[in-house]
Amino acid sequence: DPKIIQKPKYLVAVTGSEKILICEQYLGHNAMYWYRQSAKKPLEFMFSYSYQKLMDNQTASSRFQPQSSKKNHLDLQITALKPDDSATYFCASSQAGQGYEQYFGPGTRLTVL
Amino acid sequence: GQQVQQSPASLVLQEGENAELQCNFSTSLNSMQWFYQRPGGSLVSLFYNPSGTKHSGRLTSTTVIKERRSSLHISSSQTTDSGTYLCALVSGGSNAKLTFGKGTKLSVKS
Repeated sequence: DPKIIQKPKYLVAVTGSEKILICEQYLGHNAMYWYRQSAKKPLEFMFSYSYQKLMDNQTASSRFQPQSSKKNHLDLQITALKPDDSATYFCASSQAGQGYEQYFGPGTRLTVL
Repeated sequence: GQQVQQSPASLVLQEGENAELQCNFSTSLNSMQWFYQRPGGSLVSLFYNPSGTKHSGRLTSTTVIKERRSSLHISSSQTTDSGTYLCALVSGGSNAKLTFGKGTKLSVKS
């Protein structure tokens, strides 16, 4: 059974719309993350959460808002979508604290037309 | 400048050959994590290696912090090893984040 679930697997949106990417992990971890991989850039860190609190935000735009409704959930809301937002978005998790391996979900591939 | 540099960018091997993938970093780190990215895009963690050498089957990871480098050695390559290998610098304290290199695309021919 997959330990980190991301939904949907593929997503097509129109410019200006809003979408929510879902992430659930069943590894018992207390830290969760979002990363993005586009055609133009390497995988890049976006956010980290620990015990449902935002720890680090490396995303310049406020259009990206993580939401943690449960301790094993970290969704990503993206508003006012732009074609440049087209990318694969990966959710990851680990034990909280220093020195722990991160495990990645299968990703959501977002295409903005 | 880029904190993590991977080399080579691409590599073609005949089945059975060995491969050495390199990752150099310019900032301090807690650890180095190596991933295999399948052609379909999913990421598999291969090693979490803060220092020294670790082995897993045909794979060996070596991290030398003083020299600011980490390597991944693949022995007796197989066609199923084809894909992209990514190294990621683990930094931060309790707010750990990964900074990825651009990857090495490996193709193993039969």
